Amino acid sequence: DGGITQSPKYLFRKEGQNVTLSCEQNLNHDAMYWYRQDPGQGLRLIYYSQIVNDFQKGDIAEGYSVSREKKESFPLTVTSAQKNPTAFYLCASTRDRGQGDTQYFGPGTRLTVL
Amino acid sequence: QKEVEQDPGPLSVPEGAIVSLNCTYSNSAFQYFMWYRQYSRKGPELLMYTYSSGNKEDGRFTAQVDKSSKYISLFIRDSQPSDSATYLCASGSARQLTFGSGTQLTVLP
Repeated sequence: DGGITQSPKYLFRKEGQNVTLSCEQNLNHDAMYWYRQDPGQGLRLIYYSQIVNDFQKGDIAEGYSVSREKKESFPLTVTSAQKNPTAFYLCASTRDRGQGDTQYFGPGTRLTVL
Repeated sequence: QKEVEQDPGPLSVPEGAIVSLNCTYSNSAFQYFMWYRQYSRKGPELLMYTYSSGNKEDGRFTAQVDKSSKYISLFIRDSQPSDSATYLCASGSARQLTFGSGTQLTVLP
């Protein structure tokens, strides 16, 4: 089955620690995205990548970093510089490079800072 | 002003009711319109995708786009308890996709 996988499903972090969230897709999609979802605020774009070895900041990139070394993988690192990292993180992909293409989402990772 | 506005609800309806979910958008360049359904603690799944204006029907779901008023609607006929979820609208162009904040729907048996 083709799809997007995210791991872990739940993640707990102590203040001051960096953590990395995994996102893998086997859809052969060009573009991948990271969103953050907070209650009542919808989805906010953190970073996106339209091609391997290239990525762009979204609306709320501060305190986050990404890499795109392989087409299938787009890991997100939440650094200690992110002041309020507790949230639900969603990874998505599109077949083509345009954001307006249908975005397919993974199951999400819920990050809690202790 | 947010580019995509959506009434957060919550909205409760009895089983079998017709549900109307709505969004407005402000960017006249937007040409892509989508509705996603998100169950609790899950990733959103695409329900409907519309390009430009018009209606699109898929089973019990109908999506409407009125570009003149910048209004997007999703209608659910014969609603079922399994339709209970948060519904997200999204609008955008090739370069940008903006999501609404979501409407929480509960269909009561």
